[in-house]
Amino acid sequence: DVKVTQSSRYLVKRTGEKVFLECVQDMDHENMFWYRQDPGLGLRLIYFSYDVKMKEKGDIPEGYSVSREKKERFSLILESASTNQTSMYLCASSLLARTETEAFFGQGTRLTVV
Amino acid sequence: SQKIEQNSEALNIQEGKTATLTCNYTNYSPAYLQWYRQDPGRGPVFLLLIRENEKEKRKERLKVTFDTTLKQSLFHITASQPADSATYLCALISGGYNKLIFGAGTRLAVHP
Repeated sequence: DVKVTQSSRYLVKRTGEKVFLECVQDMDHENMFWYRQDPGLGLRLIYFSYDVKMKEKGDIPEGYSVSREKKERFSLILESASTNQTSMYLCASSLLARTETEAFFGQGTRLTVV
Repeated sequence: SQKIEQNSEALNIQEGKTATLTCNYTNYSPAYLQWYRQDPGRGPVFLLLIRENEKEKRKERLKVTFDTTLKQSLFHITASQPADSATYLCALISGGYNKLIFGAGTRLAVHP
């Protein structure tokens, strides 16, 4: 059974804290994605990675960074958390080689910044 | 600018009827389009993919159409059931490296 696992379902952090969201996939996928989802705005792409140590900005990268040191793990970092980063964060992975590839999602991390 | 638009208002239908959801896009030329289902508090789950040269694709009670001239995809659920209640998202690939972009989704509520 294929799996994308996010390290936490719920997280509460204080303003100004450095926050790490971790995502691990066991499908040997090249692509990994971080999205945030807010009511009425849908899934917005923050960053994605198509290979180890490679990353590309999505539509809303400001205030975030990412790390991909190993193929199976993709981390999202909030350098200094702010209340407007309170959201649901979703990690996904997909194959790069196949163009008609579906994405597999983790269960999501609901982050609250107070 | 590039946009993927789905009806933001929830769609309420009676059990047994056909639900039709719309996905429109601008300034993209996708080779294919995907549809996902998302239940509250969970990540989206892939349902169907349709290629640009396919007019229609079916899977059980699901049917998807893709009109590249209108830049629109329609997603149909026939003989809908309360268990079909969820948010449905369309997605397409933008640029290289299979970057996946989503619409905001349409919430479907099927009433008994």
